Amino acid sequence: GDSVTQMEGPVTLSEEAFLTINCTYTATGYPSLFWYVQYPGEGLQLLLKATKADDKGSNKGFEATYRKETTSFHLEKGSVQVSDSAVYFCALSGKKETSGSRLTFGEGTQLTVNP
Amino acid sequence: NAGVTQTPKFQVLKTGQSMTLQCAQDMNHEYMSWYRQDPGMGLRLIHYSVGAGITDQGEVPNGYNVSRSTTEDFPLRLLSAAPSQTSVYFCASSYSSGSFAQTEAFFGQGTRLTVV
Repeated sequence: GDSVTQMEGPVTLSEEAFLTINCTYTATGYPSLFWYVQYPGEGLQLLLKATKADDKGSNKGFEATYRKETTSFHLEKGSVQVSDSAVYFCALSGKKETSGSRLTFGEGTQLTVNP
Repeated sequence: NAGVTQTPKFQVLKTGQSMTLQCAQDMNHEYMSWYRQDPGMGLRLIHYSVGAGITDQGEVPNGYNVSRSTTEDFPLRLLSAAPSQTSVYFCASSYSSGSFAQTEAFFGQGTRLTVV
C-alpha cells in the first residue's frame, strides 16, 4: 500500500537558517503530494501541494518539488523565522482505483526555530 | 466561513463512559475522516466516509463507531472509554478530483480527550 517516510525529528534551527525536511513516498502510479503544517494547539492546514511530476509547490517562502525519479517531495525554506516553529507533515493522495479513498500521512517533523 | 467545526474542544471522561465527538463541515465535501494524534505517532486514521450512508474502517477503529446520515455531519462515538483513548482527535473533510482519491483535506481544530 501507500506509505510516506519523513526525516526523523525534532529539528532545531537558528533564525535565518536554511531548512530541509526530507520526504519520500511509496505509491502506485503518480499520487498527489502535500505538505501540511500544524501550529501549537491547532489543526493541520495545507502548506503546499503538487499534483504531477516536476511540479513545484510553494507558499509562505516554503517550496517542494515533486521528483518521481527519486519518489521524493522534500520541503525547503531559505530563511526560517521563529514563527515557522510547528510540526510539518508530508502526505499523499493516490489514485482511487489503487489507493482507495485515503490520504496517507508521514509521522510528522517537529521544527523549532530559536531567535 | 466555518469550514470544519469540531465540538467539544476539551473533554474529560471516566473509564467506561460513552460520548460522541461532533464534526460538521459546510463545504459540501464528500469525504470525511477521523484521526487521532498521539505523541510521537503522527496521525492515525480511525474511520472515514466517502459519502452519506457510506463508512469504512481505518487503521485503529476498535472502540469507536461512526455514522454518516448527512453530507455535513460525521460524529465519532466512543462506546466505553478507556485510558488508551486519551488523545487529540481531528476531523477532516475533502473532495475528490478526477482520478485522485482526495484533494487537500481541511481539518478541524481538534478535540483533546482525557480518559481517567
